[in-house]
Amino acid sequence: GDSVTQMEGPVTLSEEAFLTINCTYTATGYPSLFWYVQYPGEGLQLLLKATKADDKGSNKGFEATYRKETTSFHLEKGSVQVSDSAVYFCALSDSGYSTLTFGKGTMLLVSP
Amino acid sequence: EAGVTQFPSHSVIEKGQTVTLRCDPISGHDNLYWYRRVMGKEIKFLLHFVKESKQDESGMPNNRFLAERTGGTYSTLKVQPAELEDSGVYFCASSRRDSDRSQYFGPGTRLTVL
Repeated sequence: GDSVTQMEGPVTLSEEAFLTINCTYTATGYPSLFWYVQYPGEGLQLLLKATKADDKGSNKGFEATYRKETTSFHLEKGSVQVSDSAVYFCALSDSGYSTLTFGKGTMLLVSP
Repeated sequence: EAGVTQFPSHSVIEKGQTVTLRCDPISGHDNLYWYRRVMGKEIKFLLHFVKESKQDESGMPNNRFLAERTGGTYSTLKVQPAELEDSGVYFCASSRRDSDRSQYFGPGTRLTVL
């Protein structure tokens, strides 16, 4: 079945550091890929998405590129802020289906 | 545009009791989903409604869980009787029926079964 693997957290960074959160997936079809973010005390928010190979999703300074050859969708940001502290979830939706399969989530902690 | 809302935000009940969770999707979203995150585990799919019809309920753990979406608007998820392992955060999400099926999530209901 479909699965998503994310790097274990927490990831601890200083403000303005470069962020990478790794995400790889296994799917039978050609999935759409998503990053969701959960800020403390809030629900999941869609951060960015990509629907086909080589697409780049971007939002709020975050980027992720759909790499079919490596089955990856790594999240990056050039300069993190304290306000980026949250839990980040990678997810996929397989072709023909709309339900989401999630990774376990990666907590990011950014210190001033 | 109002987002997905869920009620209650927290619920603490004893084993054997009944709890009903409610989800109001974004207006006009035909698709409605329920997910659950048990402590330390992945967020798992429970079921999917298209309007008032259950499209996929393959993720429902057992027959103690009953979901309804009368009239195709809000949905309820009832757990009866609740067990300790039902504790977790229950998320609801909704999406449109067109090509953009991005799912928008509510804040979740944290259920604790003692």
